[in-house]
Amino acid sequence: GAVVSQHPSRVICKSGTSVKIECRSLDFQATTMFWYRQFPKQSLMLMATSNEGSKATYEQGVEKDKFLINHASLTLSTLTVTSAHPEDSSFYICSATVLSGGGGNEQFFGPGTRLTVL
Amino acid sequence: LAKTTQPISMDSYEGQEVNITCSHNNIATNDYITWYQQFPSQGPRFIIQGYKTKVTNEVASLFIPADRKSSTLSLPRVSLSDTAVYYCLVGDWNTDKLIFGTGTRLQVFP
Repeated sequence: GAVVSQHPSRVICKSGTSVKIECRSLDFQATTMFWYRQFPKQSLMLMATSNEGSKATYEQGVEKDKFLINHASLTLSTLTVTSAHPEDSSFYICSATVLSGGGGNEQFFGPGTRLTVL
Repeated sequence: LAKTTQPISMDSYEGQEVNITCSHNNIATNDYITWYQQFPSQGPRFIIQGYKTKVTNEVASLFIPADRKSSTLSLPRVSLSDTAVYYCLVGDWNTDKLIFGTGTRLQVFP
């Protein structure tokens, strides 16, 4: 199946700094990627839809100035957590869709990035 | 987007068949049903997807009744490595947007 990678896999930063997370589709082109956040023992929460060449669409309650998303190419989307605080500590996961043989779209997820803000 | 409801947790033993049922009463015509598996500290992994009737692949089967208001993921003979959280999602064919529900935490015992 299609492979989605994330970098870094784990990051620890000080409060107030900004952190960039990369999401890449390795063997396919993705016009749309998604960003999720997951807190311990909870489900994934959709943060935003990242569209190549245009602005991201954020879900209600997600601050667009706090979580900057850039989809610069068909294989790369980045999420920047600006001025990170301890409450931003979470597991961030991206995904990208591929047209499946059955007619629908199959969504492939990256391995996730564990962010810890001290 | 149609919401999904599934049991919070299930227990099973190795070698047994496990069926996890998901309700999606408000599913729309353009929606398809997808199941994912997630291990701790990993991204979700695609298991199976369907629109109606029955779909089978090398790891699971998906049963969808005619009214499509529910679906059942069937894992034929579970092993310890199948211990994970299983998510049922209903996605729009056009937007690919997926909203995760609570998921079902499956624990397989020896």
